[in-house]
Amino acid sequence: AQSVTQPDIHITVSEGASLELRCNYSYGATPYLFWYVQSPGQGLQLLLKYFSGDTLVQGIKGFEAEFKRSQSSFNLRKPSVHWSDAAEYFCAVGGWRDDKIIFGKGTRLHILP
Amino acid sequence: NAGVTQTPKFQVLKTGQSMTLQCAQDMNHEYMSWYRQDPGMGLRLIHYSVGAGITDQGEVPNGYNVSRSTTEDFPLRLLSAAPSQTSVYFCASSYSSIGGEQFFGPGTRLTVL
Repeated sequence: AQSVTQPDIHITVSEGASLELRCNYSYGATPYLFWYVQSPGQGLQLLLKYFSGDTLVQGIKGFEAEFKRSQSSFNLRKPSVHWSDAAEYFCAVGGWRDDKIIFGKGTRLHILP
Repeated sequence: NAGVTQTPKFQVLKTGQSMTLQCAQDMNHEYMSWYRQDPGMGLRLIHYSVGAGITDQGEVPNGYNVSRSTTEDFPLRLLSAAPSQTSVYFCASSYSSIGGEQFFGPGTRLTVL
């Protein structure tokens, strides 16, 4: 069965600093990977996804993520965070062998002014 | 185009009561799913459907039933509510489970006393 681990429950960074949120997955074949963001009291919005091809994917709001098969990772990055990036971020995994899309427990991002 | 709609937004039940959470989408998506979100637990998949007439269990299906009689609707039934089912419930839809972006509804906040 597939699974997702987000090792950091909370991360605090200063506005303007760079950001990396970690995501490790377990899946028995080539995965489809997603990052979603949830602002306080809101639903979830897709930031980016990896389906195939280029392992560095660009998303909305200046985010990018890199798929590393050898490390079973799909870390999310942003070169310079803004106060509006404060939210909870979820990594998710799916794949052609299984119709389930499983989410990690999330990382809550706090931004210092 | 309303996207994914969920009703009600809030609900309070007593232990043992039953109710149905409604979910509808107007995007002609084949794939629909239900998640529950609890603090520190991320989103956990309850049930999902790859098309009308087809449903399957997710990670935490116990205590919940679903049916998919039409492409548009995917109701979630609580047969006998328990306090452990207090949660925020999200419905999502996608054109496909394989690499497709899931569009989420606004959520239903359920409290079971």
